[in-house]
Amino acid sequence: GAGVSQSPSNKVTEKGKDVELRCDPISGHTALYWYRQSLGQGLEFLIYFQGNSAPDKSGLPSDRFSAERTGGSVSTLTIQRTQQEDSAVYLCASSLEAYGYTFGSGTRLTVV
Amino acid sequence: KNEVEQSPQNLTAQEGEFITINCSYSVGISALHWLQQHPGGGIVSLFMLSSGKKKHGRLIATINIQEKHSSLHITASHPRDSAVYICAGLIIQGAQKLVFGQGTRLTINP
Repeated sequence: GAGVSQSPSNKVTEKGKDVELRCDPISGHTALYWYRQSLGQGLEFLIYFQGNSAPDKSGLPSDRFSAERTGGSVSTLTIQRTQQEDSAVYLCASSLEAYGYTFGSGTRLTVV
Repeated sequence: KNEVEQSPQNLTAQEGEFITINCSYSVGISALHWLQQHPGGGIVSLFMLSSGKKKHGRLIATINIQEKHSSLHITASHPRDSAVYICAGLIIQGAQKLVFGQGTRLTINP
């Protein structure tokens, strides 16, 4: 596709359940990023993938969060045992180099 | 202290006014992005700057590397410019990540 695609666009889940969020980056983009925007807060870096290198996981808030990127393309962000504070918009972005970012439209996660 | 600071946090103006949003950043940031986020919408990258000035339509972005300061200007503002404008600094330390300012909520009244 022409842009970064995220699914689902909205997800409501019960506290304690696991969720998976998907990101399809722009074809050929070697870098993929996950960010989070909590209600009333700024954007927060979560994790960064670059090619076949080990990902930079320094932004993941807890060990309940994990992400993988298969075949250098699609990425999945998994949140285990969701908590209410996990409610946020999760944004994915991809880039070919350091300087050209394209953001997806995000997944709005609500934990009830 | 945040690595990227924006001001003002909120800005309301009348249609046609000249708008300026400011961003200061700390050492270690290689480039600045200006992003636009419409209510309920996604994020659009407006500019990436590492030096000088860029212009796109009614939008102008400038950066002063010595002062570690960038500004986003909107000329002849219009209600459709109403959005949150976010300044983001690019950090390259092995890996790469964007560090975001808190955003400026701009409202342009007709």
